[in-house]
Amino acid sequence: DQQVKQNSPSLSVQEGRISILNCDYTNSMFDYFLWYKKYPAEGPTFLISISSIKDKNEDGRFTVFLNKSAKHLSLHIVPSQPGDSAVYFCAANAGGTSYGKLTFGQGTILTVHP
Amino acid sequence: GAGVSQSPSNKVTEKGKDVELRCDPISGHTALYWYRQSLGQGLEFLIYFQGNSAPDKSGLPSDRFSAERTGGSVSTLTIQRTQQEDSAVYLCASSLGGAGLYNEQFFGPGTRLTVL
Repeated sequence: DQQVKQNSPSLSVQEGRISILNCDYTNSMFDYFLWYKKYPAEGPTFLISISSIKDKNEDGRFTVFLNKSAKHLSLHIVPSQPGDSAVYFCAANAGGTSYGKLTFGQGTILTVHP
Repeated sequence: GAGVSQSPSNKVTEKGKDVELRCDPISGHTALYWYRQSLGQGLEFLIYFQGNSAPDKSGLPSDRFSAERTGGSVSTLTIQRTQQEDSAVYLCASSLGGAGLYNEQFFGPGTRLTVL
């Protein structure tokens, strides 16, 4: 049962353009959402997060949007840079007794072409 | 400061053998997590330690998997009688932990386990 899904295995964009990565979830108990970036042979690194009480969070070139009614979130990167090329994972946390446990999506490989 | 470290970085073993994977969390972090990433899959939660509380073992896939955390710091994940489906990258993460708001998890580089 895949509770967090990233339906696009890969995305290719031109440098300077917008990258939009999407994530869907099924568990209505999730109340905190995160995006992690992963380079080859390295562990994932935290990128940006959003609480379920918000619908948008922005940090520099990165913005995460949350649509609770649709159980959908997206990560926007503007402008995209070649150094953004990596695997991006969406993750969710249900809090309560699940505190700390993250449920991850399968990841989306982003390639930004110069 | 030093990040989360894991050893070995790569481990190749034969089916049926036992393996031990080690994780050194960031100093001062009270919470420690183990995840694994199988080929083409997302990260799968395995086990979570928080301070002196009983660990959350709900993600361990079978009783061949166990983990311990000694002295509230270093953790060892043990897989007994390894099977080919255990082949994956095993990732450890740590966080400040504690109740309340979610605390960011910092990941180590992982141990790539290959079971022949």
